Amino acid sequence: NAGVTQTPKFRVLKTGQSMTLLCAQDMNHEYMYWYRQDPGMGLRLIHYSVGEGTTAKGEVPDGYNVSRLKKQNFLLGLESAAPSQTSVYFCASTVLGAYEQFFGPGTRLTVL
Amino acid sequence: GESVGLHLPTLSVQEGDNSIINCAYSNSASDYFIWYKQESGKGPQFIIDIRSNMDKRQGQRVTVLLNKTVKHLSLQIAATQPGDSAVYFCAENIGSGRGQNFVFGPGTRLSVLP
Repeated sequence: NAGVTQTPKFRVLKTGQSMTLLCAQDMNHEYMYWYRQDPGMGLRLIHYSVGEGTTAKGEVPDGYNVSRLKKQNFLLGLESAAPSQTSVYFCASTVLGAYEQFFGPGTRLTVL
Repeated sequence: GESVGLHLPTLSVQEGDNSIINCAYSNSASDYFIWYKQESGKGPQFIIDIRSNMDKRQGQRVTVLLNKTVKHLSLQIAATQPGDSAVYFCAENIGSGRGQNFVFGPGTRLSVLP
């Protein structure tokens, strides 16, 4: 099993550009999450999904959209990137009934 | 809002010594806690968890202690090794949900000295 994978690993955007981050998991997990991690701060939840076709807002959803068309994939979109969205983004997944989250390796995004 | 915090942002220990990493939480209703380890350039990795009806749980070389009276959590690593160098952070579950109800602390960086 590859676990949780994220694409791309690094990306640099200009203000106003759009992009999509892809998260994939091969563990058949029901729950998937997108977090951002900023220096000196804990992980903050952006959006999450409790199953295919369902998504919900987390703590810091503004400026992001998500989609979960397939159970194994969770996409995070930035429609118009802003410098404040410079961060490291982590995807995670959880099996139904459990608390432990399995994290991907992260995507480092810089918005100029 | 309520959040999880850490007493020390950095901790340096000699190889072979024991390490103690602390975490203070503010939500008395939190029922479940997890410690994660994050190595440089990698995603967080589960270390150990504890439920609020317990005050101690042991794993391989790690022990988590929970003091609900003062809302304090600690992670003890025995015989610290170079491979233990990483950022450690705790997470508390503040609701009945799963990942969407976790609050993560900012982390403590553990450096193991030779």
